[in-house]
Amino acid sequence: DTGVSQDPRHKITKRGQNVTFRCDPISEHNRLYWYRQTLGQGPEFLTYFQNEAQLEKSRLLSDRFSAERPKGSFSTLEIQRTEQGDSAMYLCASSMGRGETQYFGPGTRLLVL
Amino acid sequence: AQTVTQSQPEMSVQEAETVTLSCTYDTSESNYYLFWYKQPPSRQMILVIRQEAYKQQNATENRFSVNFQKAAKSFSLKISDSQLGDTAMYFCAFMKHVVGGNKLVFGAGTILRVKS
Repeated sequence: DTGVSQDPRHKITKRGQNVTFRCDPISEHNRLYWYRQTLGQGPEFLTYFQNEAQLEKSRLLSDRFSAERPKGSFSTLEIQRTEQGDSAMYLCASSMGRGETQYFGPGTRLLVL
Repeated sequence: AQTVTQSQPEMSVQEAETVTLSCTYDTSESNYYLFWYKQPPSRQMILVIRQEAYKQQNATENRFSVNFQKAAKSFSLKISDSQLGDTAMYFCAFMKHVVGGNKLVFGAGTILRVKS
C-alpha cells in the first residue's frame, strides 16, 4: 500500500506567479487535509475535504488560495499571485474517517522569490 | 480555543538513555484524541503514537510510551533506549472536531538530538 504522495516536492517561483500543488491520498481514505508549515513551527490547518466536498477552511486560506478535490480522489491546492509570505512547506494528509489517524505526505516546499 | 504547548524547544539525550518530551493542551471537549508525530530532518512526518482520551491506559508503541494525565491536560512522550535514528523534531497534536470531521492542532515542536 502506497502512502500519501505530493507533487512537486520543491517549487521555486517569482512573486506574482501562480502555483499549483497536487496531493494523492492513500487510496481507501475518504478524508484529505492541507496544512502549511513554516520553518521551525508546527503545521497549521488550511482546509479539509470529505470525498469531494470541502467542509472546512481556515482563515489562513485567503482569497488567493483555492483547493479542489474532484471525484473525491486527488486534490490540488492553487496559490494565485504568490507573495513572499507564502513561502512554506505545504503538507497533505489523509485519513479513513472521523477520529482516525491522519497520515502525511512528504510535502511541497515552496519558495517565493 | 484549543491550544497545544510544547515548552521544550530543544532536548538532547545520550544514545540508549531515556528522555521525556512534554506537552500540555487546553480544551473544553471531553472526548478527543492526542498524537505525537516525528519529523526527521528533510523527511516526512510520521505517526509515533496515538491516545484516545476516553482510555485510561497509557498508549505504548515499542520504545515509545505516553503519560496521559487528563485532569492536568498533560500528554508527555517517553522514549526509552534512545537511538540515533530518533533524532528529529517531535510534534504533539490535538485532534479538534470541525464540521463533518476533524483537524489537528499542533504544538511548536521539540527538537530532539540523540548523541552517540
